[in-house]
Parts: sequence; structure tokens; C-alpha cells
Amino acid sequence: NAGVMQNPRHLVRRRGQEARLRCSPMKGHSHVYWYRQLPEEGLKFMVYLQKENIIDESGMPKERFSAEFPKEGPSILRIQQVVRGDSAAYFCASSRGDRGFSEAFFGQGTRLTVV
Amino acid sequence: QKEVEQNSGPLSVPEGAIASLNCTYSDRVSQSFFWYRQYSGKSPELIMSIYSNGDKEDGRFTAQLNKASQYVSLLIRDSQPSDSATYLCAVKAAGYFGNEKLTFGTGTRLTIIP
Repeated sequence: NAGVMQNPRHLVRRRGQEARLRCSPMKGHSHVYWYRQLPEEGLKFMVYLQKENIIDESGMPKERFSAEFPKEGPSILRIQQVVRGDSAAYFCASSRGDRGFSEAFFGQGTRLTVV
Repeated sequence: QKEVEQNSGPLSVPEGAIASLNCTYSDRVSQSFFWYRQYSGKSPELIMSIYSNGDKEDGRFTAQLNKASQYVSLLIRDSQPSDSATYLCAVKAAGYFGNEKLTFGTGTRLTIIP
């Protein structure tokens, strides 16, 4: 009974490279949230997706960041041309998406370090 | 005004006492409320969900919701040192137009003093 799976757990990228973070939701869950957390700070919402559809991307930076959740496979958060300020923990959470009443469960997170 | 507000703390409570954590929210259409616990360096862990006014108890935890006051709280009875963590309040709006963004407060850091 696997929970939300994120990989990699740790990712080191040089400035200018691309980072790809993956999130496989819990079985039976069709909705995924992505959050970013800086040290000693709260969770900042980035994007909310269901399979093949972006529901809310109001927290996504306008440039370099994109997210997808294809019909098959994990959700991907992609950061192009990474900069030092992108260093953070990125968490995804999944839910059933029952019109607001479903609980969301988090993965272990991906710690991104840009050097 | 922040969408979800919490006192950042730190909140220090003696072992065995009751810890009380508070949260207010601004969006009146919010209908789902959650408490998460996050240990340092770890991911958030769901500990309570509440959807209707009143109290909901689960072991040593009680969540309280007052939609008229836009207020939700978490009580931890018989506090243990292992309860020392940051507690995150999260709020979700109704999903009529897909607006189910789960919004978090900044968290309250709780320390249980042995």
C-alpha cells in the first residue's frame, strides 16, 4: 500500500541546468498538488493538477516552471535553467479530488540544491 | 490579509499539559479544514480533518471548527515530547469550479518541555 512517491529525494543541479521532479500519487488518487518550502518557511502553493488537466497554476512562477500530469505515469514538475533561488524542498500531495472533501497526503519531498 | 493565519510561535507547553493551536481563515466558502504535523526536515503528515462545525476527537487530538467565526483550532491533550513539531493549518474551498486549492498557514512551532 504505497503512499505518495517522489523522486529523486535529493537533486543537485548546476545553475542553468534543468530539474525534473516526479510524483506518483497514492493508488486511487487522481489529483496532485505541488508545493515549495524554503528552510524555516511555510508551504507555498505552486500548482494543482488532475490527470491531463491543470486546475490551478496561480502559484507557479511565470517563467522556467511547468507542470504536467499525463494520463499515464507520474506528475512532473520541471524547472528550466535553474538558479540558486530555486534551491528548496519541493513537496507533492495527492488526493481523490472529491469536490473539496478529500484529504491530501504528502510524499517525502525532493530537496533541490542548485550549485 | 493572509488567507490562512496562524501564530508562528514558538509555543512552549509542559509535558502532560494541553497544547492549543489556533488558525483563522479569510475565505468564507472554505469547507474543508486540516491539521498537519511537520517534523524538522520531514514532509507534512495529516493528523486531523474536519468539515462541520463543532468538535472532532481522535485519540489525544481534538479539532474544533467555528465557520461563523472563521476559526479552527487543534487541542493536544497529555502533550508528549514527541509532539514537538510545527503544526500546519490547511483550508480547502468548495470545488464548484475546480477551486480546490489547499492553502496552508505558515505553521505554529510547538515545543513540549519535559
